[in-house]
Amino acid sequence: GDSVTQMEGPVTLSEEAFLTINCTYTATGYPSLFWYVQYPGEGLQLLLKATKADDKGSNKGFEATYRKETTSFHLEKGSVQVSDSAVYFCALSGSTGGFKTIFGAGTRLFVKA
Amino acid sequence: DAMVIQNPRYQVTQFGKPVTLSCSQTLNHNVMYWYQQKSSQAPKLLFHYYDKDFNNEADTPDNFQSRRPNTSFCFLDIRSPGLGDAAMYLCATRKRESTDTQYFGPGTRLTVL
Repeated sequence: GDSVTQMEGPVTLSEEAFLTINCTYTATGYPSLFWYVQYPGEGLQLLLKATKADDKGSNKGFEATYRKETTSFHLEKGSVQVSDSAVYFCALSGSTGGFKTIFGAGTRLFVKA
Repeated sequence: DAMVIQNPRYQVTQFGKPVTLSCSQTLNHNVMYWYQQKSSQAPKLLFHYYDKDFNNEADTPDNFQSRRPNTSFCFLDIRSPGLGDAAMYLCATRKRESTDTQYFGPGTRLTVL
């Protein structure tokens, strides 16, 4: 079945450091790919998404490119801030129809001042 | 602002005492989901509705039930909460298509004493 694998955390960075969180997926069809972010005590919220191969999603300085050849959707940011500290979930939906979203295990990011 | 609202934000119940969590949405989305999340792990899908059509995950315990009386509201009933049911419960909505974003409520933190 479909699955999402993302790098284990926690990831600890200093402010202004470069961030990469790796995400790879397995899907039988052509899924849409998402990054969701969860701040402490809150629900998940969409950070960015890409719906077809080679699309780049971007938001708030974060970027991810849908790479079909490597089945990857790695999250990057050039300069992290303390306020980026959160848990990040890679997810896919719609590879074979239906309404389910498959989430990765989540990666906790700590950014130190 | 259109949004997904969950009440209450914090719920304390006793072992074995039925509890109901509620979710409402002003987005007029077709699909509504209930997830269970423990300790910032990946959300675990319990069930979802597409309009009135109910879809139960195979591994959702019978102890968990749901109702969707209309498009806007959805309820999660836990008939006899056990200590292992203590978790964050997240409601989410999606318009219809797999490319669409899921919108999450802030969650209800359930404590079982």
